[in-house]
Amino acid sequence: DAKTTQPTSMDCAEGRAANLPCNHSTISGNEYVYWYRQIHSQGPQYIIHGLKNNETNEMASLIITEDRKSSTLILPHATLRDTAVYYCIVKEPWGAQKLVFGQGTRLTINP
Amino acid sequence: DAGVTQSPTHLIKTRGQQVTLRCSPKSGHDTVSWYQQALGQGPQFIFQYYEEEERQRGNFPDRFSGHQFPNYSSELNVNALLLGDSALYLCASSLVLASSYNEQFFGPGTRLTVL
Repeated sequence: DAKTTQPTSMDCAEGRAANLPCNHSTISGNEYVYWYRQIHSQGPQYIIHGLKNNETNEMASLIITEDRKSSTLILPHATLRDTAVYYCIVKEPWGAQKLVFGQGTRLTINP
Repeated sequence: DAGVTQSPTHLIKTRGQQVTLRCSPKSGHDTVSWYQQALGQGPQFIFQYYEEEERQRGNFPDRFSGHQFPNYSSELNVNALLLGDSALYLCASSLVLASSYNEQFFGPGTRLTVL
């Protein structure tokens, strides 16, 4: 079973910031938070990951609470191409640990 | 640099038949994982191959088997197909000895329809 809980769906206006929450209250000290997204009819795509510090890359920002029980993925200026299902996953980073996907959040960017 | 490739793109089979799906990992990757994604669901882990051996397995019956070749490419075989095997089959590759975040790269998937 997935160790994360996400809202089923969200909407966001084009050009605005999209904030996607994720609860992972049972996360262990060795586990990282990963975000993937899946655009319709494509394979999942890695977005970002983090342990406890906030992280930012060219795609998004990841904010992890101090107790690490929840996190928020931020798409700063959402475009129509960001419409996708977003998955929050917690796992240990080493080796090639399997990804346990939940239902994810279906994000729709509206023009 | 080619990413993860899968073949075929689409496949239609009938119940009881057998099917083989193929995956070529991203250049430099040595580990291949297979996932099944039913319509409207998140991907479910089937198994993972490293050094030509099955290293991890999800909750799938023995009808699902696989193989990894010396060039790291992989096959997924499903015997005695059931209607419920209709799904998108995804292949993901990674580098097991990566010291960092060990990102997995996914292929576009093979859409299997069982009639």
